[in-house]
Amino acid sequence: RKEVEQDPGPFNVPEGATVAFNCTYSNSASQSFFWYRQDCRKEPKLLMSVYSSGNEDGRFTAQLNRASQYISLLIRDSKLSDSATYLCAVNKAGSASKIIFGSGTRLSIRP
Amino acid sequence: GAVVSQHPSWVICKSGTSVKIECRSLDFQATTMFWYRQFPKQSLMLMATSNEGSKATYEQGVEKDKFLINHASLTLSTLTVTSAHPEDSSFYICSAATPQGASEQYFGPGTRLTVL
Repeated sequence: RKEVEQDPGPFNVPEGATVAFNCTYSNSASQSFFWYRQDCRKEPKLLMSVYSSGNEDGRFTAQLNRASQYISLLIRDSKLSDSATYLCAVNKAGSASKIIFGSGTRLSIRP
Repeated sequence: GAVVSQHPSWVICKSGTSVKIECRSLDFQATTMFWYRQFPKQSLMLMATSNEGSKATYEQGVEKDKFLINHASLTLSTLTVTSAHPEDSSFYICSAATPQGASEQYFGPGTRLTVL
């Protein structure tokens, strides 16, 4: 089983739609969780860290479910500029600083 | 946010040559930097952890003699791909953790290596 798994997509949704991604992780001892955004042929950019209590940043909401070992990202009122690949990341087993990435979920917003 | 630069942004080389990639933290000191590799349509794979003033630690399956890492200062880590072959062609990305948030990493813009 992969340490971090994501649905590769692609998700193709109309502008203004709400879209949700899930990501599962295998290490129950993981403490750090993140969502990154990666545009084509660019480096990943940190979108948000995911906290136990959940967190929201504008149109983006992240949730953590420790019991089921998954994290989620919700994007409301999607914009064309949201089109990208979304990577979840979790700290590697036995390491606080190393992070392992999922394979990414491609999102395409259509007009 | 923290700024990390990489140089060069792209390089094309002949098989058998060595290529050095630099990763710099521009506005903070990074005692730890990370090197990743990403093949097309795949995720980032952690190759090694670069520690300032000590040897790098490599992930399983990554040849330390082929991918030489040097972290000589708190703002610079280098990755040298020795005797590069076409299968080494990839997108190499470094990241650095800020002192404030050790688990949050900021990435350099990446270096696209093509080995002919």
